Amino acid sequence: TQLLEQSPQFLSIQEGENLTVYCNSSSVFSSLQWYRQEPGEGPVLLVTVVTGGEVKKLKRLTFQFGDARKDSSLHITAAQPGDTGLYLCSSGSNYQLIWGAGTKLIIKP
Amino acid sequence: NAGVTQTPKFQVLKTGQSMTLQCAQDMNHEYMSWYRQDPGMGLRLIHYSVGAGITDQGEVPNGYNVSRSTTEDFPLRLLSAAPSQTSVYFCASSYSRDREYYNSPLHFGNGTRLTVT
Repeated sequence: TQLLEQSPQFLSIQEGENLTVYCNSSSVFSSLQWYRQEPGEGPVLLVTVVTGGEVKKLKRLTFQFGDARKDSSLHITAAQPGDTGLYLCSSGSNYQLIWGAGTKLIIKP
Repeated sequence: NAGVTQTPKFQVLKTGQSMTLQCAQDMNHEYMSWYRQDPGMGLRLIHYSVGAGITDQGEVPNGYNVSRSTTEDFPLRLLSAAPSQTSVYFCASSYSRDREYYNSPLHFGNGTRLTVT
């Protein structure tokens, strides 16, 4: 069974700093999605990565898919308080997704 | 667009009681699913449906039933609530969820926080 491990579990930094969070698996991902979840709400899709080595940018967020498709990272440049939330990665196929436990990110003003 | 609507937002049950969590979507999505979210464990799939009349089990189906009589609605029934079912429950839908799923993102409701005492 494929497991997704996210690190760190918790990250608290000052506004303006840069950060990177990770999602790793012991198996090859078919594809991988990153979601952000704010308190009291459901997760919202940020990006899907499919091809090994792929890099996607969403404003100050940069998503990278490892060449071997077993790991992915999310880098935030100049973090803002609005980036606060739980960042989740997910992968799967055959109608079922598995999810990492998430990285809880707090950006202090 | 309302998207995915879940009711109730909060619920407290006593052990042994039954109840139904409601989920409705207005996007004509074929795929609907139920997850539970527990601290440190991420989202775990309970049941899912790929269309009206079709349901299947996910990772943690025990103690839960579902049915899909219409495209719009996908209720989750707790048969006899237990404290281990205390959790936040999310319903999610997507246009399609074929085996190459990455072309259809999941749309989530805002969850039902359930406490079983």
